[in-house]
Amino acid sequence: SQKIEQNSEALNIQEGKTATLTCNYTNYSPAYLQWYRQDPGRGPVFLLLIRENEKEKRKERLKVTFDTTLKQSLFHITASQPADSATYLCALYNQGGKLIFGQGTELSVKP
Amino acid sequence: GAGVSQSPSNKVTEKGKDVELRCDPISGHTALYWYRQSLGQGLEFLIYFQGNSAPDKSGLPSDRFSAERTGGSVSTLTIQRTQQEDSAVYLCASSPGLAGDPGELFFGEGSRLTVL
Repeated sequence: SQKIEQNSEALNIQEGKTATLTCNYTNYSPAYLQWYRQDPGRGPVFLLLIRENEKEKRKERLKVTFDTTLKQSLFHITASQPADSATYLCALYNQGGKLIFGQGTELSVKP
Repeated sequence: GAGVSQSPSNKVTEKGKDVELRCDPISGHTALYWYRQSLGQGLEFLIYFQGNSAPDKSGLPSDRFSAERTGGSVSTLTIQRTQQEDSAVYLCASSPGLAGDPGELFFGEGSRLTVL
């Protein structure tokens, strides 16, 4: 069956360090993958999109990699700040147009 | 409006009652999604509208759930004979919906449903 897996355990890191979140998927052949940020009580907000023919994408302190052989995306936040604390969701766009989300990983950055 | 608007923001109802949740997408966006998020969980896909195509209803959990989108704009999610397990935040999102490249989703703030 199709699965999208993100670390269910919260990630706790120290301010200034790099946070790395993982998104693994099985039985999908996504045309692209997206990452979203969700703060408590709010709707998710789009961060980055990476296509199947791209290995890496950067935006300011954010970097996403996409390995279609390993069926994995890594999401990095460098020089992390307490304001980066949130839940981060990966989402796959499959044929047919619908976007399917993982369960999210909660990140906590301590000062 | 500037963003996706959902109403009501909070709804408390009694078990067995019907509820309607409304979504007003960004003007011009042809794709519209409904998701459900239970406490501490990820987003569960419910239904997807794309232009004039037949909606993808594959995520609706039971026949008590239905959704429509009138005039390619406003959408209503209806839950009949609500059950306590229907309690969740219902999120709506829209996107430009370009063929082969739906792009990023813009989410509303959600409708929190509590079934007593």
